[in-house]
Amino acid sequence: QKEVEQNSGPLSVPEGAIASLNCTYSDRGSQSFFWYRQYSGKSPELIMFIYSNGDKEDGRFTAQLNKASQYVSLLIRDSQPSDSATYLCAVTGYNKLIFGAGTRLAVHP
Amino acid sequence: DTAVSQTPKYLVTQMGNDKSIKCEQNLGHDTMYWYKQDSKKFLKIMFSYNNKELIINETVPNRFSPKSPDKAHLNLHINSLELGDSAVYFCASSQTDRGVAPLHFGNGTRLTVT
Repeated sequence: QKEVEQNSGPLSVPEGAIASLNCTYSDRGSQSFFWYRQYSGKSPELIMFIYSNGDKEDGRFTAQLNKASQYVSLLIRDSQPSDSATYLCAVTGYNKLIFGAGTRLAVHP
Repeated sequence: DTAVSQTPKYLVTQMGNDKSIKCEQNLGHDTMYWYKQDSKKFLKIMFSYNNKELIINETVPNRFSPKSPDKAHLNLHINSLELGDSAVYFCASSQTDRGVAPLHFGNGTRLTVT
């Protein structure tokens, strides 16, 4: 079992819709959870982080964490073509950040 | 000002050569990292240093040798390059170690070994 799992996609959504990106992790002791966005040929950039169970909202982005289910998700409301990128979930484990393989999101007009 | 800068951006070299990638951060962070991103976009940690001290070495071949002259710099030297070393290498920094603080990434170095 991979330490951090994401569906590779592509996840295709129409402009204006809600995009839902999911991530599961194996280490129950993980404390910190991050979502990064990576455009093709660019470096990952931090979108959100969440430490506690529940929802955390920042603009059009909402991170959701359920430690009991070992599940973290990212919702993007009013998706725009500029949101088209690969979204990387990262989870703390063994004194380091462990990344999932990423989900490619395609927002079409 | 660029927060985490790495050079060069592109590196094309032949098998067997030795090359270095340099990284500097001006964020005042204590911890720096090298990550490797392969062709499938999987981002995997190679090394981390906290205040010039090696914290993590992820079973990377000893052809890869990181060097941290001070906490603002972490360079990566690679000996006897192999085809499988072709990847994008990202330097990153964070305020603290143990993976609890967000990472700030450099722009990456695309290494191509022919």
